[in-house]
Amino acid sequence: DVKVTQSSRYLVKRTGEKVFLECVQDMDHENMFWYRQDPGLGLRLIYFSYDVKMKEKGDIPEGYSVSREKKERFSLILESASTNQTSMYLCASSFASRIGGKETQYFGPGTRLLVL
Amino acid sequence: LAKTTQPISMDSYEGQEVNITCSHNNIATNDYITWYQQFPSQGPRFIIQGYKTKVTNEVASLFIPADRKSSTLSLPRVSLSDTAVYYCLVPTGELTGGGNKLTFGTGTQLKVEL
Repeated sequence: DVKVTQSSRYLVKRTGEKVFLECVQDMDHENMFWYRQDPGLGLRLIYFSYDVKMKEKGDIPEGYSVSREKKERFSLILESASTNQTSMYLCASSFASRIGGKETQYFGPGTRLLVL
Repeated sequence: LAKTTQPISMDSYEGQEVNITCSHNNIATNDYITWYQQFPSQGPRFIIQGYKTKVTNEVASLFIPADRKSSTLSLPRVSLSDTAVYYCLVPTGELTGGGNKLTFGTGTQLKVEL
């Protein structure tokens, strides 16, 4: 069974703080993704990575950065948290020879972040 | 701008068939359309995937017309436990490094009642 874990289920931070969200997968997947989910907007892709140290911007990368030093771990970083980054953050991983091919994304349970 | 739209919500009763359509006006010419199900406080999970025509598995069917500008998820004989949000995921553009950019639909809240 594929397992994608996220470091926290709930997180409360203050404006201006640096925030790290960690995601770990145990299936040796090449691809990893970070999404945010907001009511009425569905899931929006922030960043993804198709290999160690490789990253690509998604639809809404502004205000975020990522790090992938090891294959199993993909971190999302909010350099200076703002209230409009209050959201549910979901991590996913997949195995596919190329993104968008015949792949299944496996999601973690999500981290609900509140920025005060 | 690529738009991937779904009805916001649908209501049904146990035992009925439910069809949820996703419209994707700018789908990439190749690659797969995938549907996910999400329960509260959980991440989405895979339901079904297809490229064209019809695909069926043990929980759902997926219908994709020839132009691939829409897809319809069909849930036969729904039960209370099918109450969830359903998302389509479609390829909407090429990545510079190869492969396709993927875009989630806006999601459809399905509510099943007795």
